[in-house]
Amino acid sequence: NAGVTQTPKFQVLKTGQSMTLQCAQDMNHNSMYWYRQDPGMGLRLIYYSASEGTTDKGEVPNGYNVSRLNKREFSLRLESAAPSQTSVYFCASSEPGHNEKLFFGSGTQLSVL
Amino acid sequence: QKEVEQNSGPLSVPEGAIASLNCTYSDRGSQSFFWYRQYSGKSPELIMSIYSNGDKEDGRFTAQLNKASQYVSLLIRDSQPSDSATYLCAVTYNFNKFYFGSGTKLNVKP
Repeated sequence: NAGVTQTPKFQVLKTGQSMTLQCAQDMNHNSMYWYRQDPGMGLRLIYYSASEGTTDKGEVPNGYNVSRLNKREFSLRLESAAPSQTSVYFCASSEPGHNEKLFFGSGTQLSVL
Repeated sequence: QKEVEQNSGPLSVPEGAIASLNCTYSDRGSQSFFWYRQYSGKSPELIMSIYSNGDKEDGRFTAQLNKASQYVSLLIRDSQPSDSATYLCAVTYNFNKFYFGSGTKLNVKP
């Protein structure tokens, strides 16, 4: 059981380049999330998807777009990368409900030069 | 803006001592509360969840919730060097949208 799988694990971009971070979960969860983690800032929500076909902005959505391709997959796209987007990105999933818990992927270390 | 506040630390305790980690949150509508542990370079892992006022114990870990004071804490008894990590407090609203604090770094000294 793989849980939440993210690719790639590491990426270096030049300013202005674009890329897509991929995420897939095999736990049949309805909700999926993208977070970024910067030193001293904790985890900040970029976008989330409560269910297939829906997406909504989180705390820091500017410069990002997302696609909930199907129930399993939720991708994050940087159209024109900026140095301020250098961070560690985590995908996560959960099943909404009273005992909801969040499960994380292993993360993507992104550097924008 | 939903705010979750934690002391960044580091909190240093000797091996075998009790480590006490604290978290406050701004929105009284918060419904679920979690503690995640994150080792350096790794993803967060869930260690405790608590949904109602009072204490919840799981092995060496006890989570405490006081909704009136908007306060949640984590106690780690008999702290071990392997407990050295950053501990993240998280709260949810409307059973989704998890919001995290910035984390408290715990150092357990042998």
